Amino acid sequence: GAVVSQHPSRVICKSGTSVKIECRSLDFQATTMFWYRQFPKQSLMLMATSNEGSKATYEQGVEKDKFLINHASLTLSTLTVTSAHPEDSSFYICSAGTGAREKLFFGSGTQLSVL
Amino acid sequence: DAKTTQPPSMDCAEGRAANLPCNHSTISGNEYVYWYRQIHSQGPQYIIHGLKNNETNEMASLIITEDRKSSTLILPHATLRDTAVYYCIVRGPGGSQGNLIFGKGTKLSVKP
Repeated sequence: GAVVSQHPSRVICKSGTSVKIECRSLDFQATTMFWYRQFPKQSLMLMATSNEGSKATYEQGVEKDKFLINHASLTLSTLTVTSAHPEDSSFYICSAGTGAREKLFFGSGTQLSVL
Repeated sequence: DAKTTQPPSMDCAEGRAANLPCNHSTISGNEYVYWYRQIHSQGPQYIIHGLKNNETNEMASLIITEDRKSSTLILPHATLRDTAVYYCIVRGPGGSQGNLIFGKGTKLSVKP
C-alpha cells in the first residue's frame, strides 16, 4: 500500500523554540494532507487541512500563526510549531490522500515534548 | 463532531472472530464508512472502507446494514497483534469534507 513518511518520530525541545515536522507521500502524489494532534488516551483531533499550492484551512480553535503549515509540493507538507510551549507537547500525525473517496494514509506520528 | 458511536471496549479470545459494531444513523447517501485502527504510539492503519455493499479484504470484512445506519467490522481470526483501538469513521466526498473525523473508537483487547 501507499506509504506516508513522517519525520522526526520524536523531538524534545526547549520552550520558545520552533519545531518543524515533515510529512512525505513516498509513492503517490497527495493533493490533500491533513494534520492531527493526539493527547494521551484521547482520540485524534484534526488541526488543519492543506492543499498543494494554497493556504491551509485550520479547524476552529487552532492558531494558524502558531501552527504553520506549508504544502509546497504534491509530496511534501510541513507543520512548524512556532514558539513551542509545554502545553504543545503532543503526538502529531499527518495523513495524505489522492482525492475524494480514496483511502487516507497516515504517517507514523511525531511525539513532541516541550521542556 | 464524530458521526459514529462505538462501544468503548471489547475483549476477544485469540483465534476467534472479533465483531466490532458501529452506529452511524445520520450518514448521508454519499458518505463512506471507513475503519482504521491505531496501535499504541503509532499512526492509524487503514483497514477497510465501503459505501453500501459488504466488503472483504485480506485484513477484515465490513458488513453494512441495508439502511446504512450501522456496520460491523469482522476480524475473522483475531491474534494478539490485533489488540488496538479501532475507529469507525464516516467520511464526506472530498475537499474539506474529505477529512477523517475520529471518535473515541473501540479498544479491542485480544486475550490468549
